[in-house]
Amino acid sequence: QVQLQESGPGLVKPSQTLSLTCTVSGDSITSGTYYWSWIRQPAGKGLEWIGRIYTSGSASGSAKYNPSLKSRVTISVDTSKNQFSLILSSVTAADTAVYYCARGQHTLPEYQLLQIDCWGQGTLVTVSS
Amino acid sequence: DIEMTQSPDSLAVSLGERATINCKSSQSVLYSSNNKDYLAWYQQKPGQPPKLLIYWASTRESGVPDRFSGSGSGTDFTLTISSLQAEDVAVYYCQQYYSTPITFGQGTRLEIE
Repeated sequence: QVQLQESGPGLVKPSQTLSLTCTVSGDSITSGTYYWSWIRQPAGKGLEWIGRIYTSGSASGSAKYNPSLKSRVTISVDTSKNQFSLILSSVTAADTAVYYCARGQHTLPEYQLLQIDCWGQGTLVTVSS
Repeated sequence: DIEMTQSPDSLAVSLGERATINCKSSQSVLYSSNNKDYLAWYQQKPGQPPKLLIYWASTRESGVPDRFSGSGSGTDFTLTISSLQAEDVAVYYCQQYYSTPITFGQGTRLEIE
């Protein structure tokens, strides 16, 4: 059974860069027809999709981001470590949230995104000086 | 972006009674080539990540109790809990995966009356 675990600093200063890693265990990050996403949730609020990356097939390494964050976000993958990562630059207090990594399915050959079926437990990142 | 709007924002239902949550999308999430609605429902309990309940608008995820059901098509969807149990207290979210960015409804808080 696949498990996802987020890791990274819990406190980031304003204007600096937030960096998180998601470690996948129980299966290879390149197996199957999956995409890997980051999603965040400010305290007491709803869910915001940050972006996704593919890790297999012809679209392997291809990332796409929410336009609301696109200029500040990078998602990358390290298949040798079975990890994928999130970088969010120029953070402000509005970026304070629980950050989840998650796995979703996709179709072949169209690479249509399907439902998200597995989530990490989440990690709280606070932006404060 | 496709906007997802849930109603009500909160709901109190007696144990054993039916709970109904609605979700409306700003545009159709029905993919014509396969006649499938790209709509999922999630349950989130305090301090936990969301859990997938329903996908394709009406397909129950493995292991989800059959008291949970999804219905609707196009732009209007419903999650129904046929007989509310104490463990169903949670916030419920609808989500569209028809197009990126993936978007979620604002959530519906379900409580026991």
